[in-house]
Amino acid sequence: DQQVKQNSPSLSVQEGRISILNCDYTNSMFDYFLWYKKYPAEGPTFLISISSIKDKNEDGRFTVFLNKSAKHLSLHIVPSQPGDSAVYFCAASARTGANSKLTFGKGITLSVRP
Amino acid sequence: KAGVTQTPRYLIKTRGQQVTLSCSPISGHRSVSWYQQTPGQGLQFLFEYFSETQRNKGNFPGRFSGRQFSNSRSEMNVSTLELGDSALYLCASSSGRPSGETQYFGPGTRLLVL
Repeated sequence: DQQVKQNSPSLSVQEGRISILNCDYTNSMFDYFLWYKKYPAEGPTFLISISSIKDKNEDGRFTVFLNKSAKHLSLHIVPSQPGDSAVYFCAASARTGANSKLTFGKGITLSVRP
Repeated sequence: KAGVTQTPRYLIKTRGQQVTLSCSPISGHRSVSWYQQTPGQGLQFLFEYFSETQRNKGNFPGRFSGRQFSNSRSEMNVSTLELGDSALYLCASSSGRPSGETQYFGPGTRLLVL
């Protein structure tokens, strides 16, 4: 049972435009969400996170939106740059007790065209 | 601060052998988690160590084991290697506060089982 879903395997956008990456989750116990960026043969790099007590978090060109009722979050990248081309993973955790386990989606490959 | 380091970066083994991978967390971090990334299954949680104790465990067979030392460095061992164990093994560190938080990943160890 896939608890974190990134239904679109790939996304292609023009440089300078907005990239919107979507993620859905099914486990209502998840209360902390993260986005990671990954290049081939490297480890994931942390981008931005959001707690379930918020509905938006912004860091530079990256904004994450959380819709708890829909169990949906999205990552907005504005403006998109060619260097943003990578695989983006959505991850979630249930911060109950000492649980640090991250559950990941399958990832979205973002291509930013010059 | 230095990031998470993993050794070796690449490893080739044959079926039936065993392997030990090493991870050094970010200075001051006490939690180390291990993940397996394969093309088919994505990033999957193996286990987490905190203060030399396994705190969380994923759904992997007993052939996968780990330990953590007093300096928070961690090792992961896979015994009786199978072809399907070929993967990128990632370790991630965090401070390990009970409420859970952002995990920072190392570059990974690429294991190929022949």
